[in-house]
Amino acid sequence: DQQVKQNSPSLSVQEGRISILNCDYTNSMFDYFLWYKKYPAEGPTFLISISSIKDKNEDGRFTVFLNKSAKHLSLHIVPSQPGDSAVYFCAASRWGGAQKLVFGQGTRLTINP
Amino acid sequence: GAVVSQHPSWVICKSGTSVKIECRSLDFQATTMFWYRQFPKQSLMLMATSNEGSKATYEQGVEKDKFLINHASLTLSTLTVTSAHPEDSSFYICSARVSGGTYNEQFFGPGTRLTVL
Repeated sequence: DQQVKQNSPSLSVQEGRISILNCDYTNSMFDYFLWYKKYPAEGPTFLISISSIKDKNEDGRFTVFLNKSAKHLSLHIVPSQPGDSAVYFCAASRWGGAQKLVFGQGTRLTINP
Repeated sequence: GAVVSQHPSWVICKSGTSVKIECRSLDFQATTMFWYRQFPKQSLMLMATSNEGSKATYEQGVEKDKFLINHASLTLSTLTVTSAHPEDSSFYICSARVSGGTYNEQFFGPGTRLTVL
């Protein structure tokens, strides 16, 4: 049962334009969401997170939007830069217990010059 | 800050042997560490949660006798793949959560590529 889904395995965007990566989840108990960036043969790097009490969180070029009613979140990168080319994972967790992260399948973002 | 290292970065072993992977938090203390594995073009799958000084908690379907986890100190957790077989070949990644730190923010190691011949 895939509780966190990233339905787009890949995305190609022109440099300078906006990149929008999407993520859906099924477990309504999730209340904290994170985005990670991963290069090949490296561990994921934390990018940005959002709590369920918010619907938007911004950090520089990165903004995460959360739509709880739709169980959907998105990561916006603007402007996109060549160094943003990587695989992006969204992850979800819920308060309490082991606070485990459940990851989506990842979206490979390619920024074209 | 918040650097996590893994050793080795890659290992090749013969079928039937055991391999130990170390995960260290270099500049912070981690009460909890997590072990993941990732198959090519797939997501990170949590294998187990490792708590310092206590037994690890394994996810459903993960054999605890095959994947031995030890979290002996606040900066070190080890994963031992016992009697490794080719199907155990994968990318193993650990993460550490800062003790008393930001809720659910985990810092990941660079991963270990295991190839079992």
